[in-house]
Amino acid sequence: DQQVKQNSPSLSVQEGRISILNCDYTNSMFDYFLWYKKYPAEGPTFLISISSIKDKNEDGRFTVFLNKSAKHLSLHIVPSQPGDSAVYFCAASRGARAGNMLTFGGGTRLMVKP
Amino acid sequence: DVKVTQSSRYLVKRTGEKVFLECVQDMDHENMFWYRQDPGLGLRLIYFSYDVKMKEKGDIPEGYSVSREKKERFSLILESASTNQTSMYLCASSSGPIYEQYFGPGTRLTVT
Repeated sequence: DQQVKQNSPSLSVQEGRISILNCDYTNSMFDYFLWYKKYPAEGPTFLISISSIKDKNEDGRFTVFLNKSAKHLSLHIVPSQPGDSAVYFCAASRGARAGNMLTFGGGTRLMVKP
Repeated sequence: DVKVTQSSRYLVKRTGEKVFLECVQDMDHENMFWYRQDPGLGLRLIYFSYDVKMKEKGDIPEGYSVSREKKERFSLILESASTNQTSMYLCASSSGPIYEQYFGPGTRLTVT
């Protein structure tokens, strides 16, 4: 039973356009959400996060939106660049517990075409 | 910069062998984690540790054990490797209340 789901396994976007990656969750106890990017043969790297008390967080070309009522979050990349081609994982945390465990989605492979 | 290193990038073992995967972090982080990554399933937590000699089961601990004798080192042990443990294994660390985890490059384990 996956508590965090990324329903699109892959996404292809033209360079310069917007990339929108989606993530749904089922556990209402999640209160902190993160996005990670993973290149082949490397570990995931942290990209951006959002607390459940906010509905939007921006960092340069990356914006994360959170819709708590729909249990949905999305990552927007504008403008998309070929170097953004990677697998993106969303993750959620169940709050202040020892170790702050994260639950990850299955990932979406983004391909940005020049 | 936080650095998390893993002892091997690629490993091939036979069914029934005992396998040790080592992870070392250099930022004095309290928390360390072991995940496996499989296509379509994302990262699934095997075990984590929030202090030396402390460990907690994650979502898929069966067939695995862990050891944390020193703060910087967290080992994953496959007592008797099986083919369904063929996977990419990722180690991560984090500090205290900070949610962001820092990952190592991963070990691709093949069990034949």
